Amino acid sequence: ETGVTQTPRHLVMGMTNKKSLKCEQHLGHNAMYWYKQSAKKPLELMFVYSLEERVENNSVPSRFSPECPNSSHLFLHLHTLQPEDSALYLCASSRGGLAVSGELFFGEGSRLTVL
Amino acid sequence: RKEVEQDPGPFNVPEGATVAFNCTYSNSASQSFFWYRQDCRKEPKLLMSVYSSGNEDGRFTAQLNRASQYISLLIRDSKLSDSATYLCVVGSRGGSQGNLIFGKGTKLSVKP
Repeated sequence: ETGVTQTPRHLVMGMTNKKSLKCEQHLGHNAMYWYKQSAKKPLELMFVYSLEERVENNSVPSRFSPECPNSSHLFLHLHTLQPEDSALYLCASSRGGLAVSGELFFGEGSRLTVL
Repeated sequence: RKEVEQDPGPFNVPEGATVAFNCTYSNSASQSFFWYRQDCRKEPKLLMSVYSSGNEDGRFTAQLNRASQYISLLIRDSKLSDSATYLCVVGSRGGSQGNLIFGKGTKLSVKP
């Protein structure tokens, strides 16, 4: 059982829909992340939150909007997405700085299909 | 040059075989190195860190060559359960949390 849970596990949406992905971590970590995993591409970091403050936004289009109401919860709000946004969206958490420990704890991911 | 480059495979090997994966990275200022494992339709999980002196965990041995900017993972006596994608990950200081750069992964399939 993972300490990071994501819902929904699967989502199909039209380009005009608005939906949200939810992530919850039960590990007492202070940093949370959104990653995108597309076929035949490496994991791409989208957003980083540390102590509920966004500390990194990796040139992500504004149709993706993150929200971190507290250190245990992270949302990714989606609106007017494009078919090329179809991918696996992975939430992760870490205890502290990544450069040393390198340990990210991932959720099982939300597989998004945009029609 | 890609930041972290791996042979995508797939590597198809029989049970009991020894298999080695290689990875190169472009940022000479990189400070930390890891191998993650991702099973089919599952999330990535940390397999092991990679230290300059090399390190071993059971059947798994990781090595780092900073001069050549090269990382390797050796799996001895392969098991069916080793079938997965192995992700090479390189860490550097950047942003407030540091930064991890993932390779695309090398797929391993161990056959009976």
